[in-house]
Amino acid sequence: KNEVEQSPQNLTAQEGEFITINCSYSVGISALHWLQQHPGGGIVSLFMLSSGKKKHGRLIATINIQEKHSSLHITASHPRDSAVYICAVRSDSNYQLIWGAGTKLIIKP
Amino acid sequence: NAGVTQTPKFRILKIGQSMTLQCAQDMNHNYMYWYRQDPGMGLKLIYYSVGAGITDKGEVPNGYNVSRSTTEDFPLRLELAAPSQTSVYFCASSYTPGQGGRWGYGYTFGSGTRLTVV
Repeated sequence: KNEVEQSPQNLTAQEGEFITINCSYSVGISALHWLQQHPGGGIVSLFMLSSGKKKHGRLIATINIQEKHSSLHITASHPRDSAVYICAVRSDSNYQLIWGAGTKLIIKP
Repeated sequence: NAGVTQTPKFRILKIGQSMTLQCAQDMNHNYMYWYRQDPGMGLKLIYYSVGAGITDKGEVPNGYNVSRSTTEDFPLRLELAAPSQTSVYFCASSYTPGQGGRWGYGYTFGSGTRLTVV
C-alpha cells in the first residue's frame, strides 16, 4: 500500500463545477503539500499545510491531522484548471517528501 | 524573475555518454532537490542538499552524482547514461522544512529537463 493515496486518479468535469480531490496518508508528517503540474510539465507549489485550512483565490486546501486526510477544492472550475494535482507529505522523521501519484483533472468548457 | 533555472530543457544522449544537468536558484533557499518523473508516475527523489557542501542520497541515486559548492547551484551528473535514465528531471528548492517562506508555498520547481537515452 502506498503511503500517500490520492483519489480519484482521473476526474473530468464541466466548467463551473465544484471540484474535490482527496489525499490520504499513513505516515507521521510535518507538512502536506499540494502541487499543480501543467500539461506542459511545469510544477507549481500551491499550498503547504500543517493544520486547518488555506485559501488562495478559487483554491481551498484542508487537512485533518487526526484522520490523516487532506482535500483540495476548486470552486467555479475553469478549463485552465486542467492539470495534474499532486499531494505530497513531508515525513516527520527525515523531512523527505513522499509523493502521491497525482489526480488528472480535465475541465470541459 | 526569481526562481529555479534548469538547463538544458531537452537532451538526447547515447548509451554510455555523460552529461551534467544544471540547476540554479536565486532565492537563497538552503534546501535543493533533484527529482525524476517517469511517464505516468510520481516524482522520485534522486539526491538532495541541505546546504553548500552537504548532499545526501534520495530514493533512486544510482547512476547519478551531485555537488553543492555554492548555495545557488546544484548540478546533477549522469555518468554512463542508460536507457533506464530516460525521464523528465526536475530541480527544486525550498527553505528549511518547517520554517517559513512565501505564504502557502513550500517548493519552487524548475521547468524540467526531458532526457532521452538511446
